[in-house]
Amino acid sequence: QQQVKQSPQSLIVQKGGISIINCAYENTAFDYFPWYQQFPGKGPALLIAIRPDVSEKKEGRFTISFNKSAKQFSLHIMDSQPGDSATYFCAAVGGNTPLVFGKGTRLSVIA
Amino acid sequence: KAGVTQTPRYLIKTRGQQVTLSCSPISGHRSVSWYQQTPGQGLQFLFEYFSETQRNKGNFPGRFSGRQFSNSRSEMNVSTLELGDSALYLCASSLEGSRNEQFFGPGTRLTVL
Repeated sequence: QQQVKQSPQSLIVQKGGISIINCAYENTAFDYFPWYQQFPGKGPALLIAIRPDVSEKKEGRFTISFNKSAKQFSLHIMDSQPGDSATYFCAAVGGNTPLVFGKGTRLSVIA
Repeated sequence: KAGVTQTPRYLIKTRGQQVTLSCSPISGHRSVSWYQQTPGQGLQFLFEYFSETQRNKGNFPGRFSGRQFSNSRSEMNVSTLELGDSALYLCASSLEGSRNEQFFGPGTRLTVL
């Protein structure tokens, strides 16, 4: 049973465009939703995170939108740059459930 | 502040052998979690340790085990290796009692031949 569903699997965006990655969850015990960025040969790095009492959180070019009633959250990368090309994972944790990850989205930003 | 360190970075073993991987958490972090990352299954939780006690265990066979020492360093062991155990094994540390902000190491790439 996949607790966090992530889409799309891969994404190609023009430089300067907006990258959007979506995730959905089922477990209402989740109370913390982080996004991780992973470059080849590296471990995942915590990018930005949100709690369900907030509908949006912005850090620089990265924004998380959260819809508690729909049990969905998404990552928006504004003004996408080639250096943003990486694999992005949404995740969720809460209650006695450990951190669970989506399957990942491979983002390619082309010039 | 130094990040999470994992040793070794790369490992090649043959089927039936056993392997031990090591993780040193960020200074001051007392919680360590282990994950297996494969192209097919993604990131899957193995186990979590806090103050030398296993707090949670993922859905992996008993061949996978771990422990945590009093200095918060952790090791995981895989016995009787199978081809399907080939993966990137990631360790993450977090502050006392918190599963939220987990910081990952670079991982150990295990190849089983």
